Amino acid sequence: AQKVTQAQTEISVVEKEDVTLDCVYETRDTTYYLFWYKQPPSGELVFLIRRNSFDEQNEISGRYSWNFQKSTSSFNFTITASQVVDSAVYFCALSVTGNQFYFGTGTSLTVIP
Amino acid sequence: DTEVTQTPKHLVMGMTNKKSLKCEQHMGHRAMYWYKQKAKKPPELMFVYSYEKLSINESVPSRFSPECPNSSLLNLHLHALQPEDSALYLCASSQRGGGLGNEQFFGPGTRLTVL
Repeated sequence: AQKVTQAQTEISVVEKEDVTLDCVYETRDTTYYLFWYKQPPSGELVFLIRRNSFDEQNEISGRYSWNFQKSTSSFNFTITASQVVDSAVYFCALSVTGNQFYFGTGTSLTVIP
Repeated sequence: DTEVTQTPKHLVMGMTNKKSLKCEQHMGHRAMYWYKQKAKKPPELMFVYSYEKLSINESVPSRFSPECPNSSLLNLHLHALQPEDSALYLCASSQRGGGLGNEQFFGPGTRLTVL
């Protein structure tokens, strides 16, 4: 069975602080993909990153960075120097077959000015 | 153009009405999806069309009826809905019809209220 756990339901930080969103996944498949999506209050899910199970390299994109560790089945997301525009719900998702995504329950991030 | 459009943005309907939600993408994607999302919950997959054929139906009640007229369009026909069907309905598309690892691109959603 596949499962994604985002233990942090809500996080509040003050602007310019760094924040890390945790994602732990479970699967017995050896080939899988992990994703992060951002959902601002407008409702649209915005794709942020995709990582496959064979690529454990960390990735940095501007203020965003991702840490993938197969040993702990985690795919954590860090926002550096947070901004008010980062306020949103963030979903981690797992894909092991075709078109099906397994979403975590999401982490609601509020950045206070 | 990485955009999925959905109409209408908001819809209020009675339990006896028939309405349709529309989704369109012009990215040449061959898989399209309908999701239902309740407040403070993750999206729940309803239907997947792959190469214009229904490939996944997640045991959705028959009052929801999907249709894929062509590779760019996806409709969701609604009939005799219940108040608990009120939710945000999201459409998404992905590049290949069944390949593992394709990111899904989402539309802005239709906020549906059933009275």
